[in-house]
Amino acid sequence: GENVEQHPSTLSVQEGDSAVIKCTYSDSASNYFPWYKQELGKRPQLIIDIRSNVGEKKDQRIAVTLNKTAKHFSLHITETQPEDSAVYFCAASINFNKFYFGSGTKLNVKP
Amino acid sequence: DTAVSQTPKYLVTQMGNDKSIKCEQNLGHDTMYWYKQDSKKFLKIMFSYNNKELIINETVPNRFSPKSPDKAHLNLHINSLELGDSAVYFCASSPRTGWMETQYFGPGTRLLVL
Repeated sequence: GENVEQHPSTLSVQEGDSAVIKCTYSDSASNYFPWYKQELGKRPQLIIDIRSNVGEKKDQRIAVTLNKTAKHFSLHITETQPEDSAVYFCAASINFNKFYFGSGTKLNVKP
Repeated sequence: DTAVSQTPKYLVTQMGNDKSIKCEQNLGHDTMYWYKQDSKKFLKIMFSYNNKELIINETVPNRFSPKSPDKAHLNLHINSLELGDSAVYFCASSPRTGWMETQYFGPGTRLLVL
């Protein structure tokens, strides 16, 4: 089965700085990679996703890059704000009916 | 925001008891899922149903039994609860299996087994 690893487990940045979270996956058949943000005590919510036929996708301050050869993908948040503080999960999907999640990154943006 | 709803929100119970968690989605989705999020926040898929049919059953003790009376509902029944079952259980739904569509999560059920 698929194995998704996520790093770092915790990340602390100053407001306005950039944050980068990295994930690797093991199964080259994975072709859909969503990122979720989970605020304290709340449900995971999709913030951005990327499909295997695309190398990069951007949505305002958030971007995701995918390197299929190396089997890794990354989340980039620029100009971080205190409200970006949350736990972020990457996931990889095989055949679109299973989602394997990374272990999560707790992002703390210090004002 | 009641697209995917779960009840109860909190559940505190004794070891050995049997309990159920209910999930309903009003999005018209075909596929529903149950995830377990442990104390380290790791999200792990447990079950997936497509239009009332079980399609994924990960390595989960058979004390856990999902039931889907219709495609809008996926309930989770747990027998003989153990301390290690304490976690947050999330229900999710997606339009259909086989499509590159992401999932919408319910608010979670926080289960504490004493």
